[in-house]
Amino acid sequence: KAGVTQTPRYLIKTRGQQVTLSCSPISGHRSVSWYQQTPGQGLQFLFEYFSETQRNKGNFPGRFSGRQFSNSRSEMNVSTLELGDSALYLCASSPGTGGNNQPQHFGDGTRLSIL
Amino acid sequence: GDSVTQMEGPVTLSEEAFLTINCTYTATGYPSLFWYVQYPGEGLQLLLKATKADDKGSNKGFEATYRKETTSFHLEKGSVQVSDSAVYFCALSDRDTGGFKTIFGAGTRLFVKA
Repeated sequence: KAGVTQTPRYLIKTRGQQVTLSCSPISGHRSVSWYQQTPGQGLQFLFEYFSETQRNKGNFPGRFSGRQFSNSRSEMNVSTLELGDSALYLCASSPGTGGNNQPQHFGDGTRLSIL
Repeated sequence: GDSVTQMEGPVTLSEEAFLTINCTYTATGYPSLFWYVQYPGEGLQLLLKATKADDKGSNKGFEATYRKETTSFHLEKGSVQVSDSAVYFCALSDRDTGGFKTIFGAGTRLFVKA
């Protein structure tokens, strides 16, 4: 069974630009969550999508947005990039139903660097 | 709200030493508890989980017991190896208004010296 795939692995952007990151979940998983990981703030929850609907949202500004397609693939968009957006962005998938005992399955992340 | 607190790192041990990484949680409901591990350049991987009080999760020599009375889920390993060097995250999953949410601790970096 293929794991969670994130593309691209690395990105370099400049301030003010926008970026789109992609995540393909494990086949059959309907929930996709996004996290931002930085050395100073640790792992911070961005949002979760389930069946094309945003089900949960963390405390990030509106510049961070996402969407999920009918095949459960998800994209995350960050507009008007700031230096502080430099981070590892992780995507995780899970079945999304069946109780709170379902672990998250993570991709290897997209390393975003803002110059 | 729900939260997870784990001991700060880095933790540095010699090979074959005993490992304990402390984790405590607060939750409004009855969460499931997890330990994840992150190796350099990779995403997080599930290490073990426990879904109810007194359950013991175990994998690759690591163990953790769900202690409801002390709201703890400490990670232990009897004899660490250099290959265990990584960052370890304690996490809980609980019901939320929109479904389920996962809360992660800050992570504990482990260095094992040969």
